[in-house]
Amino acid sequence: RKEVEQDPGPFNVPEGATVAFNCTYSNSASQSFFWYRQDCRKEPKLLMSVYSSGNEDGRFTAQLNRASQYISLLIRDSKLSDSATYLCVSSEVGTYKYIFGTGTRLKVLA
Amino acid sequence: ETGVTQSPTHLIKTRGQQVTLRCSSQSGHNTVSWYQQALGQGPQFIFQYYREEENGRGNFPPRFSGLQFPNYSSELNVNALELDDSALYLCASSVRGEAGELFFGEGSRLTVL
Repeated sequence: RKEVEQDPGPFNVPEGATVAFNCTYSNSASQSFFWYRQDCRKEPKLLMSVYSSGNEDGRFTAQLNRASQYISLLIRDSKLSDSATYLCVSSEVGTYKYIFGTGTRLKVLA
Repeated sequence: ETGVTQSPTHLIKTRGQQVTLRCSSQSGHNTVSWYQQALGQGPQFIFQYYREEENGRGNFPPRFSGLQFPNYSSELNVNALELDDSALYLCASSVRGEAGELFFGEGSRLTVL
């Protein structure tokens, strides 16, 4: 079983739609969580950190459920430019190893 | 742009050869991590360097080795290349102790024939 699991998709949604991705992690010692965005054939870039209380950045909302060990990302009012792969990432306190999921592909259609 | 630069951007090798990939970290960052990303997969942690020493290693064999230099730049060396080593190799710089953002370079795409 992978340490961080995501549905690979693709999720094909129309512009303006709301889409949600979930991610589960198996290591209960994981303490820090992130969503990274990766465009086709480019490097990953941080989209947002995920905090226990949940956090929002514009159209993006991230949630963490420690009891169930899952993280979510909600994108509202999808734009064509949101088309990318979204990588769920966890990190354990005291280590410097970031564990990436396989990524979820999103295609926003005109 | 992140300020992390990698070279070469693309290269082709044959099985059994050796390869060296290079990375210059972002100014002010003292830690470099290397990741392997196979097609359709997420990045897999290879190892991390801090103060010129390996500080954490993923599930990769010893033929994957690295160096960090006093200016925080780094090299990834892979010996005895195998077909499965074909991947995008990503370097990420960060500041040790800050559990935050990794700044990735654009990667070196290695093809092993």
